[in-house]
Formats: sequence, C-alpha cells, structure tokens
Amino acid sequence: QKEVEQDPGPLSVPEGAIVSLNCTYSNSAFQYFMWYRQYSRKGPELLMYTYSSGNKEDGRFTAQVDKSSKYISLFIRDSQPSDSATYLCAISAPDTDKLIFGTGTRLQVFP
Amino acid sequence: DAGVIQSPRHEVTEMGQEVTLRCKPISGHDYLFWYRQTMMRGLELLIYFNNNVPIDDSGMPEDRFSAKMPNASFSTLKIQPSEPRDSAVYFCASTPGRLREAFFGQGTRLTVV
Repeated sequence: QKEVEQDPGPLSVPEGAIVSLNCTYSNSAFQYFMWYRQYSRKGPELLMYTYSSGNKEDGRFTAQVDKSSKYISLFIRDSQPSDSATYLCAISAPDTDKLIFGTGTRLQVFP
Repeated sequence: DAGVIQSPRHEVTEMGQEVTLRCKPISGHDYLFWYRQTMMRGLELLIYFNNNVPIDDSGMPEDRFSAKMPNASFSTLKIQPSEPRDSAVYFCASTPGRLREAFFGQGTRLTVV
C-alpha cells in the first residue's frame, strides 16, 4: 500500500464550480499536511499548510484534514481558469524531515 | 533571491552516458532535497541533505545514482551510466528548516535515448 494515495484525474470543471481534491494516507503518525500547486513545466509551489484536524481557509481555498479517517481534502470555490494545474498533497511525520507526495491530480477549469 | 536554480533545464543524452544535474539552493536554507517526477510514479524523493550532509538516500534507485553537496550553495545529482528508464523531470528543493515550506526549482527534464 502506498503511503499517500491521490486520484490522478484529470478533473475538468466549468469556471465557477466548486472543486474537491482528495488524498488518503496510511500512517496515523503523519501530522503535517500540505497542498502544492504545479503549473505545467514548473516546479510545485506551496498552497496550504496545516498540522491539525479541521479546516483551514485561505481565500477561495480550504484545506480539510480528518485524522480519524486519514483523509485530507482541498476545496476550491469559484474556480477560475487560472486554477488549472496539477495539485499535489504532501504529508510528513514529526520524526522525519521527509515530505511524501501524492501523485497529483490534474485539474482543468474551462471558461 | 532568485529562488532555487537548476541547470540544465533540458538534457538529452544517449544511453550509457554520464549525466550531471546541478542545483543552487536558496541562500540560508539548510535542507536540500532531490526529487524525480514521472507520470506513473509522481514525485519521488531520491535523497536529502541537512547542512550539506546526506541524511537519507533510501530513495536513490540504484548505485548508478549519486549525489553530493560540497558546500551550502551547490549540489549535484549524477547518473552513470544513464538508461532510458531514467527519463524524468528531476527537481531540487530547499527549505529553511524542518517541515517548513519547500521551494522548488524549475526542474531538469532528462531524456535518455
């Protein structure tokens, strides 16, 4: 079983839609959760960072962590064509410096 | 700061040749990571350094891969001999501390023919 599982998509939605991106993880010791966004032919960039269960909001983006289910989500409200990118979840345990990434979900928002 | 700088951006080489990828981390960052990204396997951690010292190289696929960090501002990832299955995008990333935001370079797209 992979440590982090992520649906690769692609996901295609119309502008203005609410997007839900999800990851599951296997190790309950993981405590740090991040979402990165990667535009085509670019390196990933940090979008959201959280280390607790619950929701964290930043503008149109909400990161949700459910540690009991080992499930993390990223919601994008009022999606825009500029949100078209690959979204990667990343997790880490407190006793390690390593970030483990999901395979990424490719999102396309069409006008 | 110009961010993490990787070179070359693209590399095409023949099977069996030696390939060297280079990375300049952000000044002051004490962690440096090398990742490989493919469609099938996503972003895989190959090796990381803390204060120029290799900490975990368990992700290095074979002995053909080696990495060095001779000083705080430079690291190399070498593949010798290269094989077609090494074709991927290789990313370098640096962070200012443990579990902090990782800043990625633009990547090196390697094609081995």
